[in-house]
Amino acid sequence: AQSVAQPEDQVNVAEGNPLTVKCTYSVSGNPYLFWYVQYPNRGLQFLLKYITGDNLVKGSYGFEAEFNKSQTSFHLKKPSALVSDSALYFCAVKGYSSASKIIFGSGTRLSIRP
Amino acid sequence: DVKVTQSSRYLVKRTGEKVFLECVQDMDHENMFWYRQDPGLGLRLIYFSYDVKMKEKGDIPEGYSVSREKKERFSLILESASTNQTSMYLCASSLAGGFYEQYFGPGTRLTVT
Repeated sequence: AQSVAQPEDQVNVAEGNPLTVKCTYSVSGNPYLFWYVQYPNRGLQFLLKYITGDNLVKGSYGFEAEFNKSQTSFHLKKPSALVSDSALYFCAVKGYSSASKIIFGSGTRLSIRP
Repeated sequence: DVKVTQSSRYLVKRTGEKVFLECVQDMDHENMFWYRQDPGLGLRLIYFSYDVKMKEKGDIPEGYSVSREKKERFSLILESASTNQTSMYLCASSLAGGFYEQYFGPGTRLTVT
């Protein structure tokens, strides 16, 4: 069965410091992996995705994520956090099979202090 | 820009009422999805549709039904609303193919009293 885990409910980082939001997954075969962000009172917005190829994926707002097949992880990173990055972040996974459904993690609230 | 709109931002209904949540997308996307979002549980897929008049159950379809009569519109129906269906409901759309990202509407916060 497919699953995705975001082990941290909340991550607190000082502005200017690097940030990491963790995501691990379980899926049969190869995965499609996604990160979405939800700002207060807004719908989810797509940040980046991994389909195949280069393990380091770059996305919107300076975010990047590294696909690690051996550790089944897809952690979201940013070299220097901004207060405006404070939001709720969701990791999602889908298997290659057409029968596979997308599954979202429980979300991680990122709080950047000035 | 892709736009996904939902008929209401806030909705209050009574137990037992039939509730319709409407979603419209303007980018000719094949796939459309309905999720509910609850704190600590993330997004859970209720139903999705990959074509007009086609529907597939997600992870939590019980108590819900859907309708897709036109490509741009995907409706979620609560046949008899219950208090445990109080939640934030999110609609999304995407191109066909599992590797395409989804575009989300602003959500409908439904309260059932």
